[in-house]
Amino acid sequence: SQQGEEDPQALSIQEGENATMNCSYKTSINNLQWYRQNSGRGLVHLILIRSNEREKHSGRLRVTLDTSKKSSSLLITASRAADTASYFCATDEQGAQKLVFGQGTRLTINP
Amino acid sequence: SQTIHQWPATLVQPVGSPLSLECTVEGTSNPNLYWYRQAAGRGLQLLFYSVGIGQISSEVPQNLSASRPQDRQFILSSKKLLLSDSGFYLCAWSYQPLTLHFGNGTRLTVT
Repeated sequence: SQQGEEDPQALSIQEGENATMNCSYKTSINNLQWYRQNSGRGLVHLILIRSNEREKHSGRLRVTLDTSKKSSSLLITASRAADTASYFCATDEQGAQKLVFGQGTRLTINP
Repeated sequence: SQTIHQWPATLVQPVGSPLSLECTVEGTSNPNLYWYRQAAGRGLQLLFYSVGIGQISSEVPQNLSASRPQDRQFILSSKKLLLSDSGFYLCAWSYQPLTLHFGNGTRLTVT
């Protein structure tokens, strides 16, 4: 079953602009993670935020988590053409040994 | 450092033929192992996961099966492929917390 739902499904912006993607989920979670997938490749882990955290930064990435709304956002600042990829959120339900992924946001950065 | 190998990269098989996809992990012991499938332009669907040798959890009833004959080997199989089995198959490993490390995937086309 798909737990996370990303919004928007596709996003196209100019290089240098900020990109924001949102994720909603349904059940109580331990952690929420964001992954990146270049076309035709495996996913790469970007950042993990625990359920007791509200915000986390890693380089140009900023993730927020609102457990009351069961939602998260991923902000990529000062976007680059190399950021073009699909981005997925993933959650692990409490007590589970598996991650459930959303449908992803396809991000295109135009030079 | 840990590495994950998944092969083949691409595969074209006729309907009704058998399937065997192999995934091996190096540089780690007793990882959790996962098989996901991704339809074109879609999110990831968890097929199977394993927390130890011989321990397989199936997420979706279907035409596929999985086995873990060795600690770092995970095999996805089918006795008779269906057209609907086409997709991008991804293997991954993890420890706690559940951060997944993906292989490069196998593109399967059933004709």
